[in-house]
Amino acid sequence: DIQMTQSPSSLSASVGDRVTITCRASQSIRNYLNWYQQKPGKAPKLLIYAASSLQSGVPSRFSGSGSGTDFSLTISSLQPEDFATYYCQQSYSTPQALTFGGGTKVEIK
Amino acid sequence: QVQLVESGGGLVKPGGSLRLSCAASGFTFSDFYMTWIRQAPGKGLQWVSDISSDGSTMYYADSMRGRFTISRDNAKNSLDLQLNSLRVEDTAVYYCARARTMVRGVIITPYYFDYWGQGTLVTVSS
Repeated sequence: DIQMTQSPSSLSASVGDRVTITCRASQSIRNYLNWYQQKPGKAPKLLIYAASSLQSGVPSRFSGSGSGTDFSLTISSLQPEDFATYYCQQSYSTPQALTFGGGTKVEIK
Repeated sequence: QVQLVESGGGLVKPGGSLRLSCAASGFTFSDFYMTWIRQAPGKGLQWVSDISSDGSTMYYADSMRGRFTISRDNAKNSLDLQLNSLRVEDTAVYYCARARTMVRGVIITPYYFDYWGQGTLVTVSS
């Protein structure tokens, strides 16, 4: 299976900060990379698909980039509602073994 | 609006069985691949299984193949997951999700998950 490694596993930031989370694949996955946000006790929510396409209804402060093995999710100006855990997910190996990264928890500084 | 509502979770002993269901509404269910994804307490997300829009093709994670069975009833807009030979490590919240698809070669295949249910908790313990 393709392994997805996120870094950092957690970070502390302040409202208004620019935050970047990285995700590295164990092999090239082209641009088959998606990002989700999960708040405590809630289901994940799709933010970005195909590495850089913003899901409908998601604020433009979220952006994604990368291809091959290295990807990033950037929040341009962190808002109070953005404190959550973020997961990357590869779909290169679809339809099987659709693996997720271990998650990055964004906490309030 | 799109809604996915899971049910059927609960406490079961190791070796036992459970059947999860997901009721879908707000979209044409028969047009979409559907997926089960689970999350152990305090852990990350793990893809479990998915099923094609017509129910003819199913895929499973290696650790679940042979124990879990995914199925769907397009007439009832419902998705099921039969869990057999349950292990303590199967304890998790199980989410159903709608999959958007892409064409890879000659097949249509899941790409990303745009709507998720609220999840149902399965606890395997003696």
